[in-house]
Amino acid sequence: QVQLQQWGAGLLTPSETLSLTCAVYGGSFSSYYWSWIRQPPGKGLEWVGEFTQSGNTNYNPSLKSRVTISVDTSNNQVSLNLRSVTAADTAVYYCARPGVTRYCSNGVCLKYYYYMDVWGKGTTVTVSS
Amino acid sequence: QSALTQPASVSGSPGQSITISCTGTSSDVGAYNYVSWYQQHPGKAPKLMIYDVSSRPLGVSNRFSGSKSGNTASLTISGLQAEDEADYYCSSYTSSSHVVFGGGTKVTVL
Repeated sequence: QVQLQQWGAGLLTPSETLSLTCAVYGGSFSSYYWSWIRQPPGKGLEWVGEFTQSGNTNYNPSLKSRVTISVDTSNNQVSLNLRSVTAADTAVYYCARPGVTRYCSNGVCLKYYYYMDVWGKGTTVTVSS
Repeated sequence: QSALTQPASVSGSPGQSITISCTGTSSDVGAYNYVSWYQQHPGKAPKLMIYDVSSRPLGVSNRFSGSKSGNTASLTISGLQAEDEADYYCSSYTSSSHVVFGGGTKVTVL
């Protein structure tokens, strides 16, 4: 049973850098993508980005200039850094593991990682002066 | 990338069926059969209910079903129960290899 444990600073002042870490227990780490999703108070979910199996990253275009997602494979951890935060970055931040769907056609198989089947409990981050 | 469009709220009586729509574009919902749905109770992390438009993870009740037509996906909850009262979010893979979520729908059991 895979479990995700998150931690990080919960209160930031504007212009600081948000830093969160998510540790993966009970499952393979390097075989999966790892994602971050956030949810502002009273609002919906927003995909922040992901770290892929091949070591690449994909980010939400609205955050791309400020966000970095990285992994520490020796400790099975994935981290999120968001620079120059403002009050608009106040949210619950979730780490999540995307499940994989395989699609094969004409002998070519592709993998799609997009549905989050394992979630951390979330970390509340407040940005306030 | 713009959020997928969901109704703000849907309600129904116990035992009834309700359907939540999720409208995207030809670059996300309409382009792939890679739509997922999540249930979120207050103060809790989301829970995966449907993936690949209509597949259910192990342990999810068969009262939950998904479908898609064109740029619109749908989640149907049949035999509505009090425990189904929650927020529901759709999500889709996009042509940019990203993930986009819907704005969420609050389901109320009358």
